[in-house]
Amino acid sequence: EAGVTQSPTHLIKTRGQQVTLRCSPISGHTSVYWYQQALGLGLQFLLWYDEGEERNRGNFPPRFSGRQFPNYSSELNVNALELEDSALYLCASSYEVNQPQHFGDGTRLSIL
Amino acid sequence: RKEVEQDPGPFNVPEGATVAFNCTYSNSASQSFFWYRQDCRKEPKLLMSVYSSGNEDGRFTAQLNRASQYISLLIRDSKLSDSATYLCVVITTGSGNTGKLIFGQGTTLQVKP
Repeated sequence: EAGVTQSPTHLIKTRGQQVTLRCSPISGHTSVYWYQQALGLGLQFLLWYDEGEERNRGNFPPRFSGRQFPNYSSELNVNALELEDSALYLCASSYEVNQPQHFGDGTRLSIL
Repeated sequence: RKEVEQDPGPFNVPEGATVAFNCTYSNSASQSFFWYRQDCRKEPKLLMSVYSSGNEDGRFTAQLNRASQYISLLIRDSKLSDSATYLCVVITTGSGNTGKLIFGQGTTLQVKP
């Protein structure tokens, strides 16, 4: 069974640019979660999608947005990139919200 | 007060030691609890779910205390390979299939030879 896959693996952008990160959940999982982990810090919850709808979002500005497609894959979009957006962005999926989440390898985003 | 709190450590223990971590949560309506392990610069991996009756998986034992609102993880006979950051996650579901997922900041364990 394929795990959660994320792309790209690494990304380098400059301030003010926009970025789109992609995530494919484990087959059969309908919930997708996005997290930000800055260097040396804990996981910060960004967004939760289930059945194509946003179910909850963390304390992040509106320039962080996303969507979930009918095949349950998901995109995370970040506009007007700032230096502090440099982090590892992790995607996870689960069968439903009360079930364990399984993580992808993450996308490492560096802002110059 | 943070919704989920863990002692960041680090916990430095010798091989073979028994070590325990606690994680406290503030929302009494929280329903699901898990422990994850995260190695440096890697993604978190599920270690075990935490059930009300307590559960064990080899050298690892997880317990839930709803009255005091904490979960614990006990590691017996520590191995060098247990060195990692241990994250607790607390999930609270609400009406309309909404929910809140909170990861603790993690507790770092260093097992020394």
